[in-house]
Amino acid sequence: GAGVSQSPSNKVTEKGKDVELRCDPISGHTALYWYRQSLGQGLEFLIYFQGNSAPDKSGLPSDRFSAERTGGSVSTLTIQRTQQEDSAVYLCASRMGGSNTGELFFGEGSRLTVL
Amino acid sequence: AQKVTQAQTEISVVEKEDVTLDCVYETRDTTYYLFWYKQPPSGELVFLIRRNSFDEQNEISGRYSWNFQKSTSSFNFTITASQVVDSAVYFCALKKGNNNDMRFGAGTRLTVKP
Repeated sequence: GAGVSQSPSNKVTEKGKDVELRCDPISGHTALYWYRQSLGQGLEFLIYFQGNSAPDKSGLPSDRFSAERTGGSVSTLTIQRTQQEDSAVYLCASRMGGSNTGELFFGEGSRLTVL
Repeated sequence: AQKVTQAQTEISVVEKEDVTLDCVYETRDTTYYLFWYKQPPSGELVFLIRRNSFDEQNEISGRYSWNFQKSTSSFNFTITASQVVDSAVYFCALKKGNNNDMRFGAGTRLTVKP
């Protein structure tokens, strides 16, 4: 696609429910990143993928968070048993593979509100 | 471990003033890349500049300029003659040279008042 696409753009859920956030990176970009931005806060690194593998999962806040990427393209971030502190904007970004100096292209984010 | 510190949480200036946003980084790598991104009120982060660790030349792009100093591990960003449209959150970021690990600072919210 022309840019990084994220869905849903807004999600309101009840505490305890599971949510899935989707990221469709720019075509041909092999590196994909998830960040979390809480209200008034900076960008918290969650996870990144190189192809379908995730070399560094250390940023995931708890075992309720998981992410996968299939086919080297679309990625899904899943939050199980959501808590109110999970409320944030979840940002996805992608970068061309093999270009270690390449800039990140960001999506518009998925705003999650846990009631 | 690598870390980016943006000590200024919020800055408010009046239009036409110059303003400098500070960024201090920590890394053990000799090869790394530094970035600045702008996040306007619309929300989508926009790339502004990239610098590699071997190039300490300062850069100027219109009203924007960047001062990279390895001696102080700083990569500061100056906006000259600020405008209301410069109001945004600005993020500094650091990427390792040998992989895709990229970390951002907490951001500085700049408000330019007319």
